[in-house]
Amino acid sequence: DAGITQSPRHKVTETGTPVTLRCHQTENHRYMYWYRQDPGHGLRLIHYSYGVKDTDKGEVSDGYSVSRSKTEDFLLTLESATSSQTSVYFCAISESNRNYGYTFGSGTRLTVV
Amino acid sequence: AQTVTQSQPEMSVQEAETVTLSCTYDTSESDYYLFWYKQPPSRQMILVIRQEAYKQQNATENRFSVNFQKAAKSFSLKISDSQLGDAAMYFCAYRSAGRGGSEKLVFGKGTKLTVNP
Repeated sequence: DAGITQSPRHKVTETGTPVTLRCHQTENHRYMYWYRQDPGHGLRLIHYSYGVKDTDKGEVSDGYSVSRSKTEDFLLTLESATSSQTSVYFCAISESNRNYGYTFGSGTRLTVV
Repeated sequence: AQTVTQSQPEMSVQEAETVTLSCTYDTSESDYYLFWYKQPPSRQMILVIRQEAYKQQNATENRFSVNFQKAAKSFSLKISDSQLGDAAMYFCAYRSAGRGGSEKLVFGKGTKLTVNP
């Protein structure tokens, strides 16, 4: 979707290194989310944001932190990457019209070696 | 907490035939939204269809329709006249209709659909 972009699209990193994934939106939506997708687990929520500098944890937040200093950007940081964080990461945005679900980015495939 | 269960990890269908993907959910709420998302090999998450819990009428979008059974907490997706392009992973998702606006989507584990020519 043109209104939301994730970068990078692919990344390989070494265990123990910090990694930051970026989500950028042009829709001016209030809510932003980070999910991870793993085989057999579907999509699981890591963190979400309900406004600038307002964030909260999801069900799999350990080892991750987030920041949102501007409406359009939501950053996900792995402070010290581990092999268990090898996954596909999706960013999503939403407005208050909850019946419209989310709009997703294209995902980032992260491999930790 | 709400949970979403997709009991069929994989399904297959012949081209032009009809297939139904199952989804059940667990909630104590009366007002919520349900969604089916499609994820083709490109990895993009595409919204297929949505259903408001307060609506009794089943949602339909072209060849895609749902069978929403609120009392049974069931939300199945029917794909008619299956096409090769329908081959994808399908995710069922639940979202509360709470007042805060930040209600999260809860996903099932997905069903991989194969379409055979």
